[in-house]
Amino acid sequence: DVKVTQSSRYLVKRTGEKVFLECVQDMDHENMFWYRQDPGLGLRLIYFSYDVKMKEKGDIPEGYSVSREKKERFSLILESASTNQTSMYLCASSSGGTDYEQYFGPGTRLTVT
Amino acid sequence: AQSVTQLGSHVSVSEGALVLLRCNYSSSVPPYLFWYVQYPNQGLQLLLKYTSAATLVKGINGFEAEFKKSETSFHLTKPSAHMSDAAEYFCAVSDNGNNRLAFGKGNQVVVIP
Repeated sequence: DVKVTQSSRYLVKRTGEKVFLECVQDMDHENMFWYRQDPGLGLRLIYFSYDVKMKEKGDIPEGYSVSREKKERFSLILESASTNQTSMYLCASSSGGTDYEQYFGPGTRLTVT
Repeated sequence: AQSVTQLGSHVSVSEGALVLLRCNYSSSVPPYLFWYVQYPNQGLQLLLKYTSAATLVKGINGFEAEFKKSETSFHLTKPSAHMSDAAEYFCAVSDNGNNRLAFGKGNQVVVIP
């Protein structure tokens, strides 16, 4: 079974802090994704990566950056956390090619105070 | 870009009654289509997927969905709702060529005893 793990289930940070969210997958997947989920807005793509050291902006990249130094790990960075970044953050991975199925981690609920 | 429409953010269904969640998509190429389920405080789990084989797709937990090209629809059904079906359901369509999925805004299903 594919397993996608996220470093924290719940996180509380202060405004202005630098925040790191880590995601690791164990199935040698090419593609990795970061989404944020807010009530009534569904899932919105922040960034994705289709290879090590490669990244592409999603629909809402402002205020975020990412890092993919190893194939299995994809990090989301909030350079200076703000209260409007309080949300559920979901990481996903997929094998690529014609298999679009994405496998999701359990999510990190981030609160910025 | 591809998009997905799910009407009715909240859906109430009586235990034992039919569950019907509607999904309409827009796509310029033959799509891959997915239904995911999210239980409280968890990540998304795949219910079923359409990948251009049979138009009627059976998934886990008694759910199924039918791909209708003429209606650009992929509605999800279950003949008899169970209390454990209370969750949020997301429809997604492949975004051809870049390994992304476009998600609908979700349906929160409430099962009434």
